[in-house]
Amino acid sequence: DTEVTQTPKHLVMGMTNKKSLKCEQHMGHRAMYWYKQKAKKPPELMFVYSYEKLSINESVPSRFSPECPNSSLLNLHLHALQPEDSALYLCASSLDPRDSSYGYTFGSGTRLTVV
Amino acid sequence: ILNVEQSPQSLHVQEGDSTNFTCSFPSSNFYALHWYRWETAKSPEALFVMTLNGDEKKKGRISATLNTKEGYSYLYIKGSQPEDSATYLCAFRGDSWGKLQFGAGTQVVVTP
Repeated sequence: DTEVTQTPKHLVMGMTNKKSLKCEQHMGHRAMYWYKQKAKKPPELMFVYSYEKLSINESVPSRFSPECPNSSLLNLHLHALQPEDSALYLCASSLDPRDSSYGYTFGSGTRLTVV
Repeated sequence: ILNVEQSPQSLHVQEGDSTNFTCSFPSSNFYALHWYRWETAKSPEALFVMTLNGDEKKKGRISATLNTKEGYSYLYIKGSQPEDSATYLCAFRGDSWGKLQFGAGTQVVVTP
């Protein structure tokens, strides 16, 4: 298995809803990442998990809450989002966060619309 | 340069022609420079990870060069084909935590 699987592919949620995005990989990668991309902009890092521990939080608002229950699974819990949070949310993984010679494997993303 | 910048933003290429485009990145605290190919509705796909100044990588008709002292990388596509149509992203790694800083991409459209 050489893929990162993200579900759902599309999500529409109201500002009072609670929802979760899911990311899964079975490649034995020990680093997992959440990125956010708005149209025509570069993907922006949100969180990094290294060996199942949160190692980077890029000052993301608390309405986004990451969780890494095990080495294969990464969740992003969403609560009380704003319309400006509408974006493509990308998950990625890499073999060893300490080794700069490894590339990322990306999922195809979740397109989130907040209404 | 503090950000990662890619130019041009987009380019149109005739099938069979060769093309190249640029990624500029900070010239300090260099760990790696990544190139990704991203087709619409698909996942970004890793093309190259470059870690050494002067490095050159090749994958089929696509190749890349790296100059860490001046902070730039070129991606070349030789004999462009319609299947090369995609957005090409570069990403700079400037720390040991694995954080990548992306450019906005160069969108390549190859017309038959």
